[in-house]
Amino acid sequence: DTEVTQTPKHLVMGMTNKKSLKCEQHMGHRAMYWYKQKAKKPPELMFVYSYEKLSINESVPSRFSPECPNSSLLNLHLHALQPEDSALYLCASSHPGRITNYGYTFGSGTRLTVV
Amino acid sequence: AQTVTQSQPEMSVQEAETVTLSCTYDTSESDYYLFWYKQPPSRQMILVIRQEAYKQQNATENRFSVNFQKAAKSFSLKISDSQLGDAAMYFCAFLTNTGNQFYFGTGTSLTVIP
Repeated sequence: DTEVTQTPKHLVMGMTNKKSLKCEQHMGHRAMYWYKQKAKKPPELMFVYSYEKLSINESVPSRFSPECPNSSLLNLHLHALQPEDSALYLCASSHPGRITNYGYTFGSGTRLTVV
Repeated sequence: AQTVTQSQPEMSVQEAETVTLSCTYDTSESDYYLFWYKQPPSRQMILVIRQEAYKQQNATENRFSVNFQKAAKSFSLKISDSQLGDAAMYFCAFLTNTGNQFYFGTGTSLTVIP
């Protein structure tokens, strides 16, 4: 299995809702990432998990809460979002550290719209 | 800090022709990796080609090849025999030898004209 699977593909939520994005991989990768991407812009790193521990948090607002329950699964919990949080949320995975040079495998993203 | 610059926001190419996308970067690192990713309307980021900085030989993957000029910090992507399926946003990306964070360029939107 060489895929990163993200669910749901599309999500519309109100500003008072709580929702979660899910990302799953079975490639034995021990680093997983959340990126946020606005239209026609490059992805922006949000969080990095390495061996199920949060290693990088790029000053993301607390309304975004990541969780890595095991080595195959990465969640992003959303609460009280703002309309400007509407974007494509991409998950990626890789081998951590020096062997990351093979690059990341990306999922196809969740298109989030906050109304 | 690392920066990656793609100076061509949009490019177009006739089907079956060749196009070159430009990328320059700035770093003080000596050992690093460079990538081109493709993002079609389906949204998934797909690895096109990768280059190790310590290798002088330019990477090639079928119709895709790079021109890597380490001294000039340049990493261009050449697409030969362009196909309609090549239409996408292309991102150049830089990764340090020990890093777990990509540095992406701003992207080049490629249109393929039938």
